[in-house]
Amino acid sequence: GAVVSQHPSWVICKSGTSVKIECRSLDFQATTMFWYRQFPKQSLMLMATSNEGSKATYEQGVEKDKFLINHASLTLSTLTVTSAHPEDSSFYICSARILGLAGGLIDTQYFGPGTRLTVL
Amino acid sequence: AQSVTQPDIHITVSEGASLELRCNYSYGATPYLFWYVQSPGQGLQLLLKYFSGDTLVQGIKGFEAEFKRSQSSFNLRKPSVHWSDAAEYFCAVGGGTGRRALTFGSGTRLQVQP
Repeated sequence: GAVVSQHPSWVICKSGTSVKIECRSLDFQATTMFWYRQFPKQSLMLMATSNEGSKATYEQGVEKDKFLINHASLTLSTLTVTSAHPEDSSFYICSARILGLAGGLIDTQYFGPGTRLTVL
Repeated sequence: AQSVTQPDIHITVSEGASLELRCNYSYGATPYLFWYVQSPGQGLQLLLKYFSGDTLVQGIKGFEAEFKRSQSSFNLRKPSVHWSDAAEYFCAVGGGTGRRALTFGSGTRLQVQP
């Protein structure tokens, strides 16, 4: 259980184009999903928090008009990189949060396999 | 603000040897603590987590971690390392109200020698 998928797993695009990345929780519902960015040999940096049915909350320094996030359902969040440039090339990872009570508090994030974006 | 420090960037151990990866955190209240493992080009897999209760937490793949409040530490251990354990390990802290996003340490790369 608690499987999160991302699609595509990798994408190469030309500078100036837009790329959409999907994050799905396959066997659970997630009211909150998170988008992270990871540069080579570095840790994960939180980009934004995606809440189902409301606007995403972006971290300081993340351009919300460039990284569009839509959390249209309890199992799907999308990240669209608009007008991509080479500096946007990175590994993007999403996570979906399980929050509930089942024999104790459960508050855990499960991560997708990541999407490698290369902008030429 | 919450933060996580993983002092060791890179560790090499021999297969069959014991392992301890260090993690120190800074957090104003009782933290939620996690260890994740990442293989190259892959996402993160949850190894174990601590919310409350018993300070020694058992995880998957034979890993365990001990929460020590007095030392603000949550070190990951394994008694006998296998070659397949070679990967990047991340300690993370979460909690607080609102977003509950995770703050990650910089990671420790584990190399296993035959």
